[in-house]
Amino acid sequence: DQQVKQNSPSLSVQEGRISILNCDYTNSMFDYFLWYKKYPAEGPTFLISISSIKDKNEDGRFTVFLNKSAKHLSLHIVPSQPGDSAVYFCAASGGTSYGKLTFGQGTILTVHP
Amino acid sequence: GAGVSQTPSNKVTEKGKYVELRCDPISGHTALYWYRQSLGQGPEFLIYFQGTGAADDSGLPNDRFFAVRPEGSVSTLKIQRTERGDSAVYLCASSAGTGGTEAFFGQGTRLTVV
Repeated sequence: DQQVKQNSPSLSVQEGRISILNCDYTNSMFDYFLWYKKYPAEGPTFLISISSIKDKNEDGRFTVFLNKSAKHLSLHIVPSQPGDSAVYFCAASGGTSYGKLTFGQGTILTVHP
Repeated sequence: GAGVSQTPSNKVTEKGKYVELRCDPISGHTALYWYRQSLGQGPEFLIYFQGTGAADDSGLPNDRFFAVRPEGSVSTLKIQRTERGDSAVYLCASSAGTGGTEAFFGQGTRLTVV
C-alpha cells in the first residue's frame, strides 16, 4: 500500500526553466510534508517542508504547494540549475506516529546546461 | 562531527551471519530513526527512538531485526541470520523533536549479503 506516490520516475529540464515535481498521498491523517534531495552515495538532505495549515511555503528558489482536498503537493524550482540534478523524495508524517516519515519512490531530476 | 555519522559505510557479509550497524546522531537530537532503502525505492521506515525507548518499531520486518539506543545517543541496528533480501542501504536520521521537525540523515551503510 503506497501511501505516498511520485508518479514521475524522471524529469528533464533546461537550465533556467522551472522544474515541477509532483507527489500524491492517500492517508488523510498526514499533516506535515517534506521534500528531500539525494545525491548518489549520500543520505537524503532536507530541502523544504510544509504544514497542512498552509498551502504554500517558499524558500529561495524552492516553493512547495499543498492542495489538501486533492491530497497533492508539488515542489517548484525556479530557476533550475545543473546543481539541482538529483533524486527528489517527498515524505509525509502525521496521525498516530509523528516520528515516522513515509516516503515516495523518488523522481530523478536532470537539469541540462 | 556536526552531522549524523554511520559506520561502517559498506558492509559485506555472508548469508546467515550477524551484523551490527552503528549510528551517531547529531548532538542533542532526542529523536533517532532507522530507514532502509532498496534500489529505485524511497526510504522505508524501520524504527524510531525518542530518547532511549523505541517509540515506534512497526517497520521492523521480522524478529531478526533489532535496534537499541541505551543512552539516548548512539544507536545500533542489529540483524541476525542475514538473508540476501536484507541487502540495502540502511539510513539513520536524527531530529531535535518530533511531529513537524525535519530529520537529518547520515550517508547510510550499504549492506550486501552474499
